Amino acid sequence: DAGVTQSPTHLIKTRGQQVTLRCSPISGHKSVSWYQQVLGQGPQFIFQYYEKEERGRGNFPDRFSARQFPNYSSELNVNALLLGDSALYLCASSYERGHSYEQYFGPGTRLTVT
Amino acid sequence: AQRVTQPEKLLSVFKGAPVELKCNYSYSGSPELFWYVQYSRQRLQLLLRHISRESIKGFTADLNKGETSFHLKKPFAQEEDSAMYYCALTGKGAQKLVFGQGTRLTINP
Repeated sequence: DAGVTQSPTHLIKTRGQQVTLRCSPISGHKSVSWYQQVLGQGPQFIFQYYEKEERGRGNFPDRFSARQFPNYSSELNVNALLLGDSALYLCASSYERGHSYEQYFGPGTRLTVT
Repeated sequence: AQRVTQPEKLLSVFKGAPVELKCNYSYSGSPELFWYVQYSRQRLQLLLRHISRESIKGFTADLNKGETSFHLKKPFAQEEDSAMYYCALTGKGAQKLVFGQGTRLTINP
């Protein structure tokens, strides 16, 4: 298994545009989470999806949305891009193990907004 | 409020010296604490979790609920330990991870 995969690797957009980022979880994982990592900071939680339903949302504006498909892959959409949206976007997948969950991270998509 | 604080952005030690990366947290309830590591040009990966109480690559971390700390320690640093380290927490049954801002550890030869 290649682990969690994300596409594209890098992306450059201009202010006001819209962007879609993609994530494929590890085979057998039904949960996908999205994180934003701004330079010099730790990852910040955006969304979590489990079995195609939103299970959690971080403190992000409505310009951010996501969905999960029947094959458990996921897309993160950001509308009306702002310069401050420039960041590394990380996807993580996990499987249920008792009451604790271990998250496996993808390599990230580097988004630059100009 | 859920918060993780890593007071040192940068930490530099010599090979063979002890290492301690500090992590303090704020959480109402019983959190689960983790250390994640990111080596150069690699993805973020789990190093250890407090509930497993194991030593990974010579690193250990003890949860101190009185001091709300989860410091990462290693008695003898190796050059391959150079990486970015993130402390993180989650609530029981939750999947959202709250990360600290990270500490860049450099091991000098």
